[in-house]
Amino acid sequence: DTGVSQDPRHKITKRGQNVTFRCDPISEHNRLYWYRQTLGQGPEFLTYFQNEAQLEKSRLLSDRFSAERPKGSFSTLEIQRTEQGDSAMYLCASSDGQGMNTEAFFGQGTRLTVV
Amino acid sequence: AQTVTQSQPEMSVQEAETVTLSCTYDTSESDYYLFWYKQPPSRQMILVIRQEAYKQQNATENRFSVNFQKAAKSFSLKISDSQLGDAAMYFCALYQTGANNLFFGTGTRLTVIP
Repeated sequence: DTGVSQDPRHKITKRGQNVTFRCDPISEHNRLYWYRQTLGQGPEFLTYFQNEAQLEKSRLLSDRFSAERPKGSFSTLEIQRTEQGDSAMYLCASSDGQGMNTEAFFGQGTRLTVV
Repeated sequence: AQTVTQSQPEMSVQEAETVTLSCTYDTSESDYYLFWYKQPPSRQMILVIRQEAYKQQNATENRFSVNFQKAAKSFSLKISDSQLGDAAMYFCALYQTGANNLFFGTGTRLTVIP
């Protein structure tokens, strides 16, 4: 296992288009997290899955955002009707059953640019 | 509500010297964990060091150590014998037991000068 992988690494899209990102966590990790990181800021929590169940969503996750984790393996994050304010790095992380109080493993992120 | 404050947007250090990055936090919880994560340019974030709040002893990982002052809610990172590979963004993060996520500061960009 090579760690958490995210695809694509970069995405440029026109305002109003829909985009979807994928995250493949470390295979034995049942917990998966999505974060958003804008320039000059630390990562901000978006949502959390334990296995296939989405257990927590941040208020940052507007109605245009949806995340899924079918079968408790990979996860997708979709943004509908993208806006310029959605431009950011989207980070995925996974952890084992003990959660983020031990160690979280992050992917390299998907950098989204909305033009 | 929790806050994590990193007041140094940028720091620099000469190779082989020591540097300290500052972090203060606030939480109403008594059970929490503190972390320093490193984010090298175009690479994934990795854990540098972890501190359990109930432990008085400061955590150490090779050249990295922390100064955890619980009463002052301060959690600084000391990097000894700095190496070029230490150049990165460093994030201080807080995990409150029962929460499902890490809360990050705004980061400190560390430059190592050869």
